Amino acid sequence: DTGVSQNPRHKITKRGQNVTFRCDPISEHNRLYWYRQTLGQGPEFLTYFQNEAQLEKSRLLSDRFSAERPKGSFSTLEIQRTEQGDSAMYLCASSIGTPYYEQYFGPGTRLTVT
Amino acid sequence: AQTVTQSQPEMSVQEAETVTLSCTYDTSENNYYLFWYKQPPSRQMILVIRQEAYKQQNATENRFSVNFQKAAKSFSLKISDSQLGDTAMYFCAFMKLLYGNKLVFGAGTILRVKS
Repeated sequence: DTGVSQNPRHKITKRGQNVTFRCDPISEHNRLYWYRQTLGQGPEFLTYFQNEAQLEKSRLLSDRFSAERPKGSFSTLEIQRTEQGDSAMYLCASSIGTPYYEQYFGPGTRLTVT
Repeated sequence: AQTVTQSQPEMSVQEAETVTLSCTYDTSENNYYLFWYKQPPSRQMILVIRQEAYKQQNATENRFSVNFQKAAKSFSLKISDSQLGDTAMYFCAFMKLLYGNKLVFGAGTILRVKS
């Protein structure tokens, strides 16, 4: 068990560019979550997958954001036409669900939009 | 919608002493979990402790314990024998047991342990 991994760890991009982040959950975890954390704040929920199905999306997830989890394994989060307001830490977490529901977090991808 | 409030932006404690971090939440749900997560500087978030709302007994994990007051919707974290490695941002989080189990976080409390 190597924990949740995320790549890249840091991404600097210019406004208007597209970026894609990857999350590899703990192998036996069927639930995968994306959160966004801005400086000095708690993480905010973006979206949730159970296996390959995306079951919930936050209103924070504008049309420029898309997430996938093909085959219920790793997940990608893509942001199109990035804006400076997208600058944040993007966290991925995974969970096995019942009975304890604990979510295990990855190290995050820090996005800076210039 | 659920909300989580952490009213202490920053706390400090001397090494080996005890500190309590406060958390209140608002929900109309009856079945939920509460968590405390720790985020050390520039490091990833790790789970400190979990409390199931249906359990009256307060959860404990080594030096960490909670005071769960369901009627008051209060969930404080007590850290005993504080260590320098406890220096971190601490987040209180709420999870209802339906619809995907997403976490709703408070704004966090920065805890500094001083030697």
